[in-house]
Amino acid sequence: NAGVTQTPKFQVLKTGQSMTLQCAQDMNHNSMYWYRQDPGMGLRLIYYSASEGTTDKGEVPNGYNVSRLNKREFSLRLESAAPSQTSVYFCASSGTGRNQPQHFGDGTRLSIL
Amino acid sequence: RKEVEQDPGPFNVPEGATVAFNCTYSNSASQSFFWYRQDCRKEPKLLMSVYSSGNEDGRFTAQLNRASQYISLLIRDSKLSDSATYLCVLLGFQKLVFGTGTRLLVSP
Repeated sequence: NAGVTQTPKFQVLKTGQSMTLQCAQDMNHNSMYWYRQDPGMGLRLIYYSASEGTTDKGEVPNGYNVSRLNKREFSLRLESAAPSQTSVYFCASSGTGRNQPQHFGDGTRLSIL
Repeated sequence: RKEVEQDPGPFNVPEGATVAFNCTYSNSASQSFFWYRQDCRKEPKLLMSVYSSGNEDGRFTAQLNRASQYISLLIRDSKLSDSATYLCVLLGFQKLVFGTGTRLLVSP
């Protein structure tokens, strides 16, 4: 029961470096999401993809790009990492329909020095 | 005003106690509501959806008050394993909006 798989689980970067966070789901879900979670801020949506081939900005998209590679995979890229992007990143997916819950990956703990 | 507001707690209760959390929301057009649970350094997991008529799942009861724009979660007979952060979540336009969570600590 893999569900939503995120890689890597931990990463330390230097300011200005780039990296891509990978996410894959095996539940045949149409919708996928990237969130960041910071102390006292709750989960904030970075980008989402309602279906394969589409992506939309969420609440905090600046400094990030995404790719919905296929139905299973949704990646998040930091082109030039900044210390303000130090956070825990969660990928999630959900089926179609108003009451469909979101299933989350284990998270990626990212530190930018 | 935040779209979803929760008391951050922590709520410290003994085992066996009954505890209730409230959550207020500002968007009266919100249609779907959920409670998620998040353990320390783990991912959020769906605890239960919240239906207009209220709903119960074992020791957990969720209620929705549209007139006052709040939802509640009642936990009866608290267990040590209930210690976690409880996130109030509503469905905005095509996406979920998360509260910052209420932390519950159940002690022996």
